[in-house]
Amino acid sequence: DTAVSQTPKYLVTQMGNDKSIKCEQNLGHDTMYWYKQDSKKFLKIMFSYNNKELIINETVPNRFSPKSPDKAHLNLHINSLELGDSAVYFCASSQDRGYNEAFFGQGTRLTVV
Amino acid sequence: EDQVTQSPEALRLQEGESSSLNCSYTVSGLRGLFWYRQDPGKGPEFLFTLYSAGEEKEKERLKATLTKKESFLHITAPKPEDSATYLCAVQDSNYQLIWGAGTKLIIKP
Repeated sequence: DTAVSQTPKYLVTQMGNDKSIKCEQNLGHDTMYWYKQDSKKFLKIMFSYNNKELIINETVPNRFSPKSPDKAHLNLHINSLELGDSAVYFCASSQDRGYNEAFFGQGTRLTVV
Repeated sequence: EDQVTQSPEALRLQEGESSSLNCSYTVSGLRGLFWYRQDPGKGPEFLFTLYSAGEEKEKERLKATLTKKESFLHITAPKPEDSATYLCAVQDSNYQLIWGAGTKLIIKP
């Protein structure tokens, strides 16, 4: 069983569209994350979600919003997609926010055309 | 400002040629330093956590060490399957995780 799974793996869409990426973890972890990895391979945290507490990286545009229906799921919604949103997005989870041995999903390569 | 710098950006070694990767950091209140391995097209995979200066961790051909300013990932007698990008991250006192840009390691048979 995959510990952290995210779908889809690839997403190609036009500018201006709204899209979602889903993430699920079966590890029983309390904290989940969304990361963006740009073309230079830099990982930047976008959100962390711990026991219904959302911590937002202030540099993330408000077009991006996380939605957590329950502790095992953290989905990422993106409105009005822009060319600069093209990147690989990773979902991750860890036991709690102070224990950062995170497990990552396989990534979603988003291409905005 | 918290910062993590990894060097070199890329490292090519022959199989069996030992070397070290560097991760230097400035952080307000280090909670932990983490090493991850990332293969192409995959998410990062956890390797080690180091919490205090002087601490060392080992796993197969890898050994991570920590000082107050930097961490080293030593690779002993590497094999081609050790080829990957190695990422370093530090967690500060506010639980923020800051990542380095990684070192791409290529081991030639």
